[in-house]
Amino acid sequence: SQQGEEDPQALSIQEGENATMNCSYKTSINNLQWYRQNSGRGLVHLILIRSNEREKHSGRLRVTLDTSKKSSSLLITASRAADTASYFCATALTSGTYKYIFGTGTRLKVLA
Amino acid sequence: DAGITQSPRYKITETGRQVTLMCHQTWSHSYMFWYRQDLGHGLRLIYYSAAADITDKGEVPDGYVVSRSKTENFPLTLESATRSQTSVYFCASIAAWGSSNLHFGNGTRLTVT
Repeated sequence: SQQGEEDPQALSIQEGENATMNCSYKTSINNLQWYRQNSGRGLVHLILIRSNEREKHSGRLRVTLDTSKKSSSLLITASRAADTASYFCATALTSGTYKYIFGTGTRLKVLA
Repeated sequence: DAGITQSPRYKITETGRQVTLMCHQTWSHSYMFWYRQDLGHGLRLIYYSAAADITDKGEVPDGYVVSRSKTENFPLTLESATRSQTSVYFCASIAAWGSSNLHFGNGTRLTVT
């Protein structure tokens, strides 16, 4: 079964708008990571948030983590056509290990 | 980025045949992983390895065999390919010293006919 489940499955927005996607997970975690995948390519790491952090920023990315709800959100501000991709969250299958598993992803389409 | 390379890029094989997908990384990363990606399932972990000669099952290990005799190589073998193993396979690695970031290869698209 999937550890992380992203929501929504697909999202279509206009350039300049913000995009928010959510991830829910099942077990306790040390950290949660977000990755981007452009069509046909390998995943690229975006940001990592540790379990003792509630919010983290990196450029136009803002990630929040609520360990009590076992959920995280990724916000992309002022989106660009180049942000069109699939986004995945990843958590460790077993807490404290590097056995990372992924959710089903959110497909983001940014319209120019 | 030539740090982690997968070969072949595309492979077509027949049901019942053995096929090996190769993964090579030049960073001397400790951890290596194999994932498969299918529509509707995202990425699923097949096997991972914490170091040479140390491997462990992931979420969907059945039908796959791995070995890691050298730190830089982590081949994935389908001993008797089935149509359900048609997928895109990704190899990844983690340095594990000061970083938990996965570094991915560009994938192998495998079709089993």
